[in-house]
Amino acid sequence: RKEVEQDPGPFNVPEGATVAFNCTYSNSASQSFFWYRQDCRKEPKLLMSVYSSGNEDGRFTAQLNRASQYISLLIRDSKLSDSATYLCVVNSWGNQFYFGTGTSLTVIP
Amino acid sequence: GAVVSQHPSWVICKSGTSVKIECRSLDFQATTMFWYRQFPKQSLMLMATSNEGSKATYEQGVEKDKFLINHASLTLSTLTVTSAHPEDSSFYICSASTGIGNQPQHFGDGTRLSIL
Repeated sequence: RKEVEQDPGPFNVPEGATVAFNCTYSNSASQSFFWYRQDCRKEPKLLMSVYSSGNEDGRFTAQLNRASQYISLLIRDSKLSDSATYLCVVNSWGNQFYFGTGTSLTVIP
Repeated sequence: GAVVSQHPSWVICKSGTSVKIECRSLDFQATTMFWYRQFPKQSLMLMATSNEGSKATYEQGVEKDKFLINHASLTLSTLTVTSAHPEDSSFYICSASTGIGNQPQHFGDGTRLSIL
């Protein structure tokens, strides 16, 4: 079983829609969790860390469910500029980071 | 925020050339640096993890004699692709982490390597 699993999509949504991605992880001892965004032909950029209590940054909300071992990212009021691949990353032991395969999002005018 | 600089951003070389890529953490000390490769429309693939002052740990299937990694300081790691061939053409990305607590990785801009 993969350390981190993500639905690759693609997700095609209209502007203004709300879209949610989930990511599951296999190691219950995982310590920290992140969402990155990667644009085509660019490097991944940190979007937000995911905290146990859930956290929000503008239109983006991240949540962690330790019992079910998944993290989620919710994007409200989608913009065209949100089109990208979203990567979930789980840090298990010290410097071991595990990446999901990424979920592709296209926001359509 | 944490800044990681990678150089060069794009390189085109003849087959058989060795290419060195630098990764620098500009405003923090990177205990650990990671090297990834990404082919078009594919996921990031971790090649190796390097801790400052130690030998790099390579992922299965990655030739350590082909991809030489040096991490001599807390702010600089280099990846040398030795005797590069067209099949080595790819997008190479480094990232750096302080290794402290729950800190994320921060990525360099990536290097697009094309071998003719």
